[in-house]
Amino acid sequence: AQKITQTQPGMFVQEKEAVTLDCTYDTSDPSYGLFWYKQPSSGEMIFLIYQGSYDQQNATEGRYSLNFQKARKSANLVISASQLGDSAMYFCAMREGPGNFNKFYFGSGTKLNVKP
Amino acid sequence: KAGVTQTPRYLIKTRGQQVTLSCSPISGHRSVSWYQQTPGQGLQFLFEYFSETQRNKGNFPGRFSGRQFSNSRSEMNVSTLELGDSALYLCASSLRGGVNEKLFFGSGTQLSVL
Repeated sequence: AQKITQTQPGMFVQEKEAVTLDCTYDTSDPSYGLFWYKQPSSGEMIFLIYQGSYDQQNATEGRYSLNFQKARKSANLVISASQLGDSAMYFCAMREGPGNFNKFYFGSGTKLNVKP
Repeated sequence: KAGVTQTPRYLIKTRGQQVTLSCSPISGHRSVSWYQQTPGQGLQFLFEYFSETQRNKGNFPGRFSGRQFSNSRSEMNVSTLELGDSALYLCASSLRGGVNEKLFFGSGTQLSVL
């Protein structure tokens, strides 16, 4: 089974509107971390937001928030007030347990296009 | 603070050759991991090094190898290149690889095998 599933290969959003990128995960480990990264056409992966499995509140980082629904095993990224510079690939990722160190599982990504 | 630096940025090789990619982590980071990114398979974990020791490995053939030096700089080597090895190779670093640590990525090395 896929560890991370992103079901939206591509999405369009109007500038200044909010957009939600979907992510579901699969793990039996009670301790895990969920991450979102942005990859512009330059190739570098840019960290956006992190949610720990034991965190009680949804994570927020500026215009980014993570809608964490543990029972549904979903960790959707919400970008508020989209900007043209938000056009990029977005990847959801998971690290399981303390013993897996930096072995991350990545989803297939969502390509976001922000329209002016 | 300088970010993760990968060299070279682009490489073109032919089948059967071998290649070495280099990665300098953020100063103070002791964990370095490598990922392969292809359009078909996405991002896949290759291996991770910490204090010059490989402590995690993905499902790649033995042609893929790596090492880490005492200054935390890392290299990965691919021998007997195949067409399917064409990919963006990303290096990432973090302090120790703790559960809540984020990975800092370099810009990658784009390898083309002809």
